[in-house]
Amino acid sequence: EAQVTQNPRYLITVTGKKLTVTCSQNMNHEYMSWYRQDPGLGLRQIYYSMNVEVTDKGDVPEGYKVSRKEKRNFPLILESPSPNQTSLYFCASRSTRQGTQYFGPGTRLLVL
Amino acid sequence: AQSVTQPDIHITVSEGASLELRCNYSYGATPYLFWYVQSPGQGLQLLLKYFSGDTLVQGIKGFEAEFKRSQSSFNLRKPSVHWSDAAEYFCAVGAEAAGNKLTFGGGTRVLVKP
Repeated sequence: EAQVTQNPRYLITVTGKKLTVTCSQNMNHEYMSWYRQDPGLGLRQIYYSMNVEVTDKGDVPEGYKVSRKEKRNFPLILESPSPNQTSLYFCASRSTRQGTQYFGPGTRLLVL
Repeated sequence: AQSVTQPDIHITVSEGASLELRCNYSYGATPYLFWYVQSPGQGLQLLLKYFSGDTLVQGIKGFEAEFKRSQSSFNLRKPSVHWSDAAEYFCAVGAEAAGNKLTFGGGTRVLVKP
């Protein structure tokens, strides 16, 4: 089954404790991205990657890092999480040959 | 820069009644337009998309949307709402030239009355 998976689905952490949210897709898509969803703001793009070793900032990149060492994986790293990063995070992927993005199930993060 | 506005934050509709959700976008070229639905506690599901061609687009679950370039709109409609349509709906615009980024509206939450 074609899908985007994220882990963990739920995470509670404390300020300053580094964490990584993994994202993996099995569709051989070149393009992957991370979004955060906050009430009233919809989804905003954090980072995106056009292919392996090619990443770029989205609209709200501050406090986040990403890497793209393999085509299927695109982890999101919070080096020193803060409470304002409490949010619902979505990973997405798409082929560069067609425009539909496929979203993962989401990761709900609470930073205390 | 591209942007999307969904003017209605909440809409309440009776089961069996028609539904229309508004979406206005701003983008310099021909956009790719999408509607996604998010049920409570769930991820995002694509309802329909417009890339080119016929401006009336049919989607899943009985939804349709009409692209109106002159009004910069892409409104979503359903003739008869079911209780299972209660969810949050997001309009999004994307374009190849924008690094494949999707820009989302703030969402419209739909409540369905019995």
